[in-house]
Amino acid sequence: DADVTQTPRNRITKTGKRIMLECSQTKGHDRMYWYRQDPGLGLRLIYYSFDVKDINKGEISDGYSVSRQAQAKFSLSLESAIPNQTALYFCATSELERDEQFFGPGTRLTVL
Amino acid sequence: QKEVEQDPGPLSVPEGAIVSLNCTYSNSAFQYFMWYRQYSRKGPELLMYTYSSGNKEDGRFTAQVDKSSKYISLFIRDSQPSDSATYLCAMSKHSGGYNKLIFGAGTRLAVHP
Repeated sequence: DADVTQTPRNRITKTGKRIMLECSQTKGHDRMYWYRQDPGLGLRLIYYSFDVKDINKGEISDGYSVSRQAQAKFSLSLESAIPNQTALYFCATSELERDEQFFGPGTRLTVL
Repeated sequence: QKEVEQDPGPLSVPEGAIVSLNCTYSNSAFQYFMWYRQYSRKGPELLMYTYSSGNKEDGRFTAQVDKSSKYISLFIRDSQPSDSATYLCAMSKHSGGYNKLIFGAGTRLAVHP
């Protein structure tokens, strides 16, 4: 979905490095989410944000932090990457009071 | 035990076949039920959305919900090679001030000509 963009699309890094994944959206949605996808485990919520001042932990937030720089931008950081953070990372957005979430194309992260 | 169980497949069918994809869930608090389709190297996109028991049809796709059995299905009629993708079921429940989505692991479907 071109309305939700993620950078980079692919990243290989080493254990201990700090990594930032960025998400931008032009949908005008207030709510933004970060998920990771692993084989056999599906999508799991890392963090979500209802607006610039409202950020909440999801089910697997340990080892991650986020920043909502503006309504349209939501970044995910790995302060000190470890190999079990190797996964596909997706950003998503939704409108207030709507369940449908719109996903970006994903970032494939490999931590060596 | 996972809240949402989905057989990961892979499922391989010939073109034109009827495909049945299923999920079971354990939490009766789930209110809304969705199916997302995810093509390789793409993000998931919403395919079907329903909130009540029964059937909902959209073209070749039918979503079925049975709340008494905690079971949902997606049927694809006259399957096409372009239907080859991973299908994720998702369910929402009210948590933390919003309707939180819980996803199944996804079923990989391959439709061969």
